[in-house]
Amino acid sequence: DNQMTQSPSSLSASVGDRVTITCRASQDIRNYLAWYQQKPGKVPNLLIYAASTLQSGVPSRFSGSGSGTDFTLTISSLQPEDVATYYCQKYNSAPLTFGPGTKVDFK
Amino acid sequence: EVQLLESGGGLLQPGGSLRLSCAASGFTFSSYAMSWVRQAPGKGLEWVSGISGTGSSTYYADSVKGRFTISRDNSKNTLHLQMNSLRDEDTAVYHCAKGGGWWELPVWGQGTPVTVSS
Repeated sequence: DNQMTQSPSSLSASVGDRVTITCRASQDIRNYLAWYQQKPGKVPNLLIYAASTLQSGVPSRFSGSGSGTDFTLTISSLQPEDVATYYCQKYNSAPLTFGPGTKVDFK
Repeated sequence: EVQLLESGGGLLQPGGSLRLSCAASGFTFSSYAMSWVRQAPGKGLEWVSGISGTGSSTYYADSVKGRFTISRDNSKNTLHLQMNSLRDEDTAVYHCAKGGGWWELPVWGQGTPVTVSS
């Protein structure tokens, strides 16, 4: 099985809040986990790869952790421009399944 | 600057065929795996297919296996997706995406829309 799950499916937070999104793989994927941000009407943007490596140009308030089957994306201090849907993706082997997404907006 | 430009999308009836293309520039095309990812209207991301840098290895989602074929022409820096036996549920915007160090996707094209409807 190659399922990816995310929780929550959506969340509302305030500017400056710490936000945590979790992603779970149905089998051990070591650290082959990426996180993407997709703003409305835009193309997805890679935030983190190898579970915890920040992609060049991504603000340091984003961080990732985890290995094996359980992973976390954290935004340390939510900013207005962070309103988006966030997806995790496994890429250890095909199929390169995406999670269903977590929509983040403001209270 | 790394750029990916998709083309070939359109409106067609169920059972039809379509060939998508993705023109790549700004990087050594043959050195990177490439993928196709689609997004149906109002839905999430779905990885469709991937191909290694040399083209010797190809991979497919179960939903398209046997109907879609991915290929690449490294002499022309172009990626293709041949889509046959199209179904209503194949309606989506199709993006090509460049691999990074492995199969993560740091660069995406803007996408080309495919609508399958009778």
